[in-house]
Amino acid sequence: EIVLTQSPGTLSLSPGERATLSCRASQSVPKNYLAWYQQKPGQAPRLLIYDASNRATGIPDRFSGGGSGTDFTLTFSRLEPDDFAVFYCQQYATSPLTFGGGTKVEIK
Amino acid sequence: EVQLVESGGGLVQPGGSLRLSCVGSGFTFSSYWMNWVRQAPGKGLEWVANIKQDGSEKNYLDSVRGRFTISRDNAEKSLFLQMNNLRPEDTAVYYCAGAGGWLIENWGQGTLLTVTS
Repeated sequence: EIVLTQSPGTLSLSPGERATLSCRASQSVPKNYLAWYQQKPGQAPRLLIYDASNRATGIPDRFSGGGSGTDFTLTFSRLEPDDFAVFYCQQYATSPLTFGGGTKVEIK
Repeated sequence: EVQLVESGGGLVQPGGSLRLSCVGSGFTFSSYWMNWVRQAPGKGLEWVANIKQDGSEKNYLDSVRGRFTISRDNAEKSLFLQMNNLRPEDTAVYYCAGAGGWLIENWGQGTLLTVTS
């Protein structure tokens, strides 16, 4: 099983700031099959990034994904008020599919 | 518009059974792997099971294997999760999710299962 560890647990930022979230895998993720999801309170998750660096349909370019192997990042070039939420990374290369524990991005 | 609508959640005693259902619309249901993902109250996401387009392959989280069974009916665009021998730690919102390959692209709004005596 591939274990994903996200850091930090919580990030307190102001709108307009840049942010980078980290996701570290316990072993290399085959084919970089790593996705990022955003979840707001009371809502289902939404796909942001797939294959480590590809934006999903309709996702603005202020979101970008990077990394490979065991180390991955999600970067916001500038935070907007609507971006504050919990973000999860997930690997979909091997079963069981696994999620990281999440990073909460909150308004400072 | 892609829609996934879950139903069947509720309150169950430990050791009990329940069947969750999910109906899809707005996409070619039979072309997608389908998944169940759960989220315990205040916790993170946990993948539970998935099933191949034709139902010929199924994968499970270790902690549910032998207790939960995933199935689908492509003619009815429906996904199911039969849950037996339920435990308090199965308490969660259960999401139905559609995947291209194993990449989860679309999510339902979830149905809440509470296991308590």
